[in-house]
Amino acid sequence: DSGVTQTPKHLITATGQRVTLRCSPRSGDLSVYWYQQSLDQGLQFLIHYYNGEERAKGNILERFSAQQFPDLHSELNLSSLELGDSALYFCASSVTPDLGTYEQYFGPGTRLTVT
Amino acid sequence: AQSVTQLGSHVSVSEGALVLLRCNYSSSVPPYLFWYVQYPNQGLQLLLKYTTGATLVKGINGFEAEFKKSETSFHLTKPSAHMSDAAEYFCAVSEGGYQKVTFGIGTKLQVIP
Repeated sequence: DSGVTQTPKHLITATGQRVTLRCSPRSGDLSVYWYQQSLDQGLQFLIHYYNGEERAKGNILERFSAQQFPDLHSELNLSSLELGDSALYFCASSVTPDLGTYEQYFGPGTRLTVT
Repeated sequence: AQSVTQLGSHVSVSEGALVLLRCNYSSSVPPYLFWYVQYPNQGLQLLLKYTTGATLVKGINGFEAEFKKSETSFHLTKPSAHMSDAAEYFCAVSEGGYQKVTFGIGTKLQVIP
């Protein structure tokens, strides 16, 4: 158990819908990272928040957005869902963005299926 | 821009044999390099990392990796494979600080009894 929690574990929804994925980082971790893992694209970095502020963006679609709240939990919002958005979404956390010093801990993931 | 290439999406070894998973990277600055392992239905777990200093890095579960700047490689090895090593392994690179971590496509390791 990494200490990072993600809810829900599984999500099945229809195309065009909107969903929210939630992540609670390990106690004391200020950085939250979101990743998408799909069979054809592998593990893709989406976005990084540090202490409530966006710090780095990857290949995140405009239909996707995220935020980190004052209690440090984070939410990833996916809207106008398409079949291709079906994937595993991972959240990871670390104490700071200095991954040379601090480890990045991954949650168990949310499996999103768009039908 | 940084990138990672993992050669071989699937590798099979016999139990007790040497494990060698290959990773090459590109980075415009001295990189941080990582190997992660993902067991079925679980998140990724850090095996080992290179930041600065000693180029041979030892990790958990008997794995090690060597940073070779001249070859831009960071191959993962383990002298003797166990059945419990069957998993997917990801090489990753970061330029440090607030920079993103870029992952390779992963290599699925199968251990044959």
